[in-house]
Amino acid sequence: EPEVTQTPSHQVTQMGQEVILRCVPISNHLYFYWYRQILGQKVEFLVSFYNNEISEKSEIFDDQFSVERPDGSNFTLKIRSTKLEDSAMYFCASSPVGTRSYNEQFFGPGTRLTVL
Amino acid sequence: KNQVEQSPQSLIILEGKNCTLQCNYTVSPFSNLRWYKQDTGRGPVSLTIMTFSENTKSNGRYTATLDADTKQSSLHITASQLSDSASYICVVSGNNNAGNMLTFGGGTRLMVKP
Repeated sequence: EPEVTQTPSHQVTQMGQEVILRCVPISNHLYFYWYRQILGQKVEFLVSFYNNEISEKSEIFDDQFSVERPDGSNFTLKIRSTKLEDSAMYFCASSPVGTRSYNEQFFGPGTRLTVL
Repeated sequence: KNQVEQSPQSLIILEGKNCTLQCNYTVSPFSNLRWYKQDTGRGPVSLTIMTFSENTKSNGRYTATLDADTKQSSLHITASQLSDSASYICVVSGNNNAGNMLTFGGGTRLMVKP
């Protein structure tokens, strides 16, 4: 069964460094998402991406964050200058339908980012 | 502000017993409500999705209900198994331009003991 994959599973970085989190969505999906979950807290929406551009983003997704689909398979989240409070689990998700009707989002296993 | 609240925060039950988890939401406009199961350190996995017109939906031993008037949902787990131990998250989707910006509840952490 196809699934969303994410790499690396765990990333440790120094404060101020740039990190790139990678995701491979399910191949025929059209919508892509990033979420984060700080330890012990709710999952929070960061950004949605469709047709090679951002569809929607939350207040969390400030200028330090960017997303890209550099080729036909990868979907990346870049944090330009990491802060301690960026430490969290980052989940990528994808869904097959790009309309306003409901559709299921399939989540990857997550990347745990630790900023020291 | 869109919010999803769940209760209880945690629950311990014996294997084979039933349980019901609750969810209240204030997301508007409303598109659909989902229940996800999240194992520790893993991504959420969808159990059910219900739209405004659906009152109940089952997926095996999981049965979700939705009352769109009172903005409440429940997830009933029948004949619990040890593998049901996980967090169960209620997620509501608002009807926005992106179609699927999700608002997550804090989850109910369920532990099933032998």
